[in-house]
Amino acid sequence: AQTVTQSQPEMSVQEAETVTLSCTYDTSESNYYLFWYKQPPSRQMILVIRQEAYKQQNATENRFSVNFQKAAKSFSLKISDSQLGDTAMYFCAFMKRSSGNTPLVFGKGTRLSVIA
Amino acid sequence: DAGVIQSPRHEVTEMGQEVTLRCKPISGHNSLFWYRQTMMRGLELLIYFNNNVPIDDSGMPEDRFSAKMPNASFSTLKIQPSEPRDSAVYFCASSLFGGGVNEQFFGPGTRLTVL
Repeated sequence: AQTVTQSQPEMSVQEAETVTLSCTYDTSESNYYLFWYKQPPSRQMILVIRQEAYKQQNATENRFSVNFQKAAKSFSLKISDSQLGDTAMYFCAFMKRSSGNTPLVFGKGTRLSVIA
Repeated sequence: DAGVIQSPRHEVTEMGQEVTLRCKPISGHNSLFWYRQTMMRGLELLIYFNNNVPIDDSGMPEDRFSAKMPNASFSTLKIQPSEPRDSAVYFCASSLFGGGVNEQFFGPGTRLTVL
């Protein structure tokens, strides 16, 4: 079974600063995907960024980037130029790669507050 | 695209009552997932379907919970009888498999309160 651990229950950052959210995972699978989801107060789950484990290059999406360390089973999210709208819960998630769809395994989340 | 549709958005009921949550996945998607979110346990899978067939229901907590997907455009999650510990947000998500990263699209969730 896979497990995902987010060791920072809460974090805060000043507007326009950079913040890094940590995530580690445990799996015996060799092919998988990793995701970061954002959940604002509206509770809608929004995909922020995804990484395919077989790709060595770290994924980036505008102000969001990841540091994927496969050997260390680490998948951190960096948010640059933080904005007030980034205030939300952030969930790291693992998905096994398969011929069919498989479910997401989530970490417990990190509550991020961006302070003006 | 209307996205994943869930109803109701909020449900308040009394212990012992039957509760039915509904989900309409994105048209053309062939996988559907039911997740539950609580403060204590976070987000956890209850059950998922591929091509309307239940694949894994090991996350369904008890026999009080049941889920169906009679066709590709509709699924229900039923709790009978409901208990206060079932209070949570229930999410439905859908995705399309067939190569590439199979992103899951989430509905807005149903907040269930059992008194």
